[in-house]
Amino acid sequence: EAGVAQSPRYKIIEKRQSVAFWCNPISGHATLYWYQQILGQGPKLLIQFQNNGVVDDSQLPKDRFSAERLKGVDSTLKIQPAKLEDSAVYLCASSGPGRPNTEAFFGQGTRLTVV
Amino acid sequence: KQEVTQIPAALSVPEGENLVLNCSFTDSAIYNLQWFRQDPGKGLTSLLLIQSSQREQTSGRLNASLDKSSGRSTLYIAASQPGDSATYLCAVRRNYGQNFVFGPGTRLSVLP
Repeated sequence: EAGVAQSPRYKIIEKRQSVAFWCNPISGHATLYWYQQILGQGPKLLIQFQNNGVVDDSQLPKDRFSAERLKGVDSTLKIQPAKLEDSAVYLCASSGPGRPNTEAFFGQGTRLTVV
Repeated sequence: KQEVTQIPAALSVPEGENLVLNCSFTDSAIYNLQWFRQDPGKGLTSLLLIQSSQREQTSGRLNASLDKSSGRSTLYIAASQPGDSATYLCAVRRNYGQNFVFGPGTRLSVLP
């Protein structure tokens, strides 16, 4: 079974530029998450999708971050414009639709450096 | 608001030791708890998932226990090896379908 795929693996941009990350979840997984992990901290949820609907985006800085999940499969996360404090690893995860096992599987992440 | 803490923040042990990593959460009304491993520069690898009705889960040299009423989980690693060196994260989910809240992790170094 293929895992969660993310691209790119690394990205360096200047502040005020824009950047986009892509995620392809495990086939059949209805739930998709984007997490931000700052160095030395645990991941923090940015947005959660159920199929192509948003379940929770309460911690997403909506003035600069946006995300979409077209057709309930792939997802993109965009930052525009980027700030220095956005430097972090952006992790995508997915989990299956059925009870009781809702184990989450993570991708390798995209390491963003804003200079 | 759920908060998750992990103690210790870092741990260094000689190879072969048995060790325990601790995870505490403030709201005992959880649906499940998951332990992850993260290698430097990599994503998270799922180790064990414990449902709220379970007391423990085992996988090879790993054993995770859950005491929901006291808001605690422990990850026990038997006969540690240098390859176990990584950051270990615990995460809790309040309800089915909701997101995970993560702890800050314990950075483990196993010395040969």
